[in-house]
Amino acid sequence: QKEVEQNSGPLSVPEGAIASLNCTYSDRGSQSFFWYRQYSGKSPELIMFIYSNGDKEDGRFTAQLNKASQYVSLLIRDSQPSDSATYLCAVSGGSARQLTFGSGTQLTVLP
Amino acid sequence: DAEITQSPRHKITETGRQVTLACHQTWNHNNMFWYRQDLGHGLRLIHYSYGVQDTNKGEVSDGYSVSRSNTEDLPLTLESAASSQTSVYFCASRQGVDSPLHFGNGTRLTVT
Repeated sequence: QKEVEQNSGPLSVPEGAIASLNCTYSDRGSQSFFWYRQYSGKSPELIMFIYSNGDKEDGRFTAQLNKASQYVSLLIRDSQPSDSATYLCAVSGGSARQLTFGSGTQLTVLP
Repeated sequence: DAEITQSPRHKITETGRQVTLACHQTWNHNNMFWYRQDLGHGLRLIHYSYGVQDTNKGEVSDGYSVSRSNTEDLPLTLESAASSQTSVYFCASRQGVDSPLHFGNGTRLTVT
């Protein structure tokens, strides 16, 4: 059973701060890693994906992947109240490359 | 613009009835998926398809079935709805095995 673990939160940060979201996974053969944002009552929307060890930056978002330690993280710089949402980590692996999702971390950015 | 459309957006049905949720995508993606989302469980895979006439069971497939007769559609059928199947259902598609998923807007199903 492939597992993806996230702290459920809630995580609260003040506006302008850095929010750090973490995810660990059990399948060492995992190949692709995704972060989705989900607002209440809405569908998940892709924020970032990362395939290789290291950092990947896109605007205020940075994804970090460490395959040896089996974790992936998402940093949100200059957090805004509009970033308040649930963040889902998803990991793809195995021959069928199915995505397994974590249960999500609820982030609240306080004005 | 390409999109993925689910219908209905909301559905209330009675225990024991057969229910079909529709999913239609215009991305021309071969890979399509059905997930359910419940509090405390995140997104769990029900069924998936990697092409026409291909269907596969996911983590929570009992009580559900899918069929893939064309590229665009993957309807999800609940053979005999149960209260435990009250959930939000998301359809998704992707271009390739390592590509991101594109999600539909979801269907909220209530089984009374």
